[in-house]
Amino acid sequence: AQKITQTQPGMFVQEKEAVTLDCTYDTSDQSYGLFWYKQPSSGEMIFLIYQGSYDEQNATEGRYSLNFQKARKSANLVISASQLGDSAMYFCAMRELWMDSSYKLIFGSGTRLLVRP
Amino acid sequence: NAGVTQTPKFQVLKTGQSMTLQCAQDMNHNSMYWYRQDPGMGLRLIYYSASEGTTDKGEVPNGYNVSRLNKREFSLRLESAAPSQTSVYFCASSGQSLAKNIQYFGAGTRLSVL
Repeated sequence: AQKITQTQPGMFVQEKEAVTLDCTYDTSDQSYGLFWYKQPSSGEMIFLIYQGSYDEQNATEGRYSLNFQKARKSANLVISASQLGDSAMYFCAMRELWMDSSYKLIFGSGTRLLVRP
Repeated sequence: NAGVTQTPKFQVLKTGQSMTLQCAQDMNHNSMYWYRQDPGMGLRLIYYSASEGTTDKGEVPNGYNVSRLNKREFSLRLESAAPSQTSVYFCASSGQSLAKNIQYFGAGTRLSVL
């Protein structure tokens, strides 16, 4: 079975600095997708970034980048120039084929990031 | 740009009561999902609908039923609520690109069962 592991329950970062949130995954599939979602205190789940297993370059979306190391099965999220509004819970997720007909996401347990002014 | 809309945002039920959580999306997505999130955990799939007219069980379907009313709407029903169903419920939808399957989420419904 596929699994997502986030080993950092909580992290602090100083405003304007960069921070890396760790995510490792376990799958026997050759084709898979990895996602990061942000959940602020208001509770909604916000899609941040996607990396496909066959993508040759690391994904980037504005201040977010995904450090994808396929051999190590890691997909770390890097947030550059942290802002106070980045304080939130961050979830790593992986696409999993479900019942041969669709996909579902399996989620890690999350990392709570607090940005200090 | 509403995206995925869930109602209600909050609900308190007594054990044994029933209720329906509503979800609607305006992105013309085929697939819709219901997840639950328990404290300290990621989301777990309850039910999903790959397309209009079809629904299938996810990881934790017991105690729930769903209806895909049309392409836009996907409701989740608790027939007889139990305290173990206290959770935050999220509806999500995704479009044609199954290879990516980026799911977009609603704001969630916080349900307490007393």
